[in-house]
Amino acid sequence: NAGVTQTPKFRILKIGQSMTLQCTQDMNHNYMYWYRQDPGMGLKLIYYSVGAGITDKGEVPNGYNVSRSTTEDFPLRLELAAPSQTSVYFCASSYSTGGEQYFGPGTRLTVT
Amino acid sequence: LAKTTQPISMDSYEGQEVNITCSHNNIATNDYITWYQQFPSQGPRFIIQGYKTKVTNEVASLFIPADRKSSTLSLPRVSLSDTAVYYCLVGDAWGGGGKLIFGQGTELSVKP
Repeated sequence: NAGVTQTPKFRILKIGQSMTLQCTQDMNHNYMYWYRQDPGMGLKLIYYSVGAGITDKGEVPNGYNVSRSTTEDFPLRLELAAPSQTSVYFCASSYSTGGEQYFGPGTRLTVT
Repeated sequence: LAKTTQPISMDSYEGQEVNITCSHNNIATNDYITWYQQFPSQGPRFIIQGYKTKVTNEVASLFIPADRKSSTLSLPRVSLSDTAVYYCLVGDAWGGGGKLIFGQGTELSVKP
């Protein structure tokens, strides 16, 4: 099993550009999550999904959108990128709502 | 969502036992306590999870008193490779979509 994979690993965006961060898991987990981590800080939940077609907001959803059309994929869309969105983005998945979360390797995004 | 408080940093030496305490005064009945470890430039990795009393696995022990308002992660005989940030999380095991709050974590530095 590859676990949780994320693409790209690194990306530089100009202010106002848009992009999609990809996340795929091959563990057949229903629950998937997107976090961001700013330097020296803990992770903040952006969006999560409890299954295909069902998503909900986390702590910091503004400026982001998600969709979940399949169990495996949970892309995160950034519209109109801003410098405040410079961060490392982690995708995670879990089998149950309170269970162990498996994290991907992260995407380092810089907006200039 | 219960908030957690843990020390910002701790120092230890190789071979010592390390205990990291986390405070979670507003823990709810359905909440589990989970600890994650994070190395630089990597996603967090699950260490241990518990609900009450004591849980032990091959890498750590988790002690939870009867009132569940705090918990202690115990790492036996740490090595240099245990240098990392450790996060204590409290989350609903049966609902809430697995929403978890990551605090700032405890940066553990193990010295030779």
